Amino acid sequence: NAGVTQTPKFQVLKTGQSMTLQCAQDMNHNSMYWYRQDPGMGLRLIYYSASEGTTDKGEVPNGYNVSRLNKREFSLRLESAAPSQTSVYFCASSEMGETQYFGPGTRLLVL
Amino acid sequence: GENVEQHPSTLSVQEGDSAVIKCTYSDSASNYFPWYKQELGKGPQLIIDIRSNVGEKKDQRIAVTLNKTAKHFSLHITETQPEDSAVYFCAASREGFKTIFGAGTRLFVKA
Repeated sequence: NAGVTQTPKFQVLKTGQSMTLQCAQDMNHNSMYWYRQDPGMGLRLIYYSASEGTTDKGEVPNGYNVSRLNKREFSLRLESAAPSQTSVYFCASSEMGETQYFGPGTRLLVL
Repeated sequence: GENVEQHPSTLSVQEGDSAVIKCTYSDSASNYFPWYKQELGKGPQLIIDIRSNVGEKKDQRIAVTLNKTAKHFSLHITETQPEDSAVYFCAASREGFKTIFGAGTRLFVKA
């Protein structure tokens, strides 16, 4: 069991470039989440998917889009990256309201 | 909206001493209270959890207490060791709803 995997591990973008962060889980969880964590800060929810076929905004959705591709995969897209999106991005999965299992994170630097 | 307050934001203890982190939640319907540990460069991982039908739970050097009337729950780490140094997050949730995380506590254990 790999748990939750994320790609890439690191990425450097220039302002205005786009990219997609990939996340996959093998625990058959219905719910998946994307968080960002700025240095020295807590977790802020960007988007979540309570079940396959649904997505909802979290606390900080502006500048991001998501796709729940199937039950296993949940991607996060930055259409036009900005320096304010420099952060560490974590994907997580769970049954809604239960223990969340986090991936190792993607470290993104936007210049 | 619902929230979870966590204190202190930073905690420094001497090796061998105890550490206590406290959280307060606002949604009286919450019934699941997990605690996560985040080591440097990694995603958060569950270390202990408690459900609303239990007042206290212990696992070796860590314990969690819950006071549903006051809507408080706490993490207790005894005989702290340098490897306990990390960021700790409390959270509150109920089945079918999003998990709400506290802002985190950075624990330093001085050798």
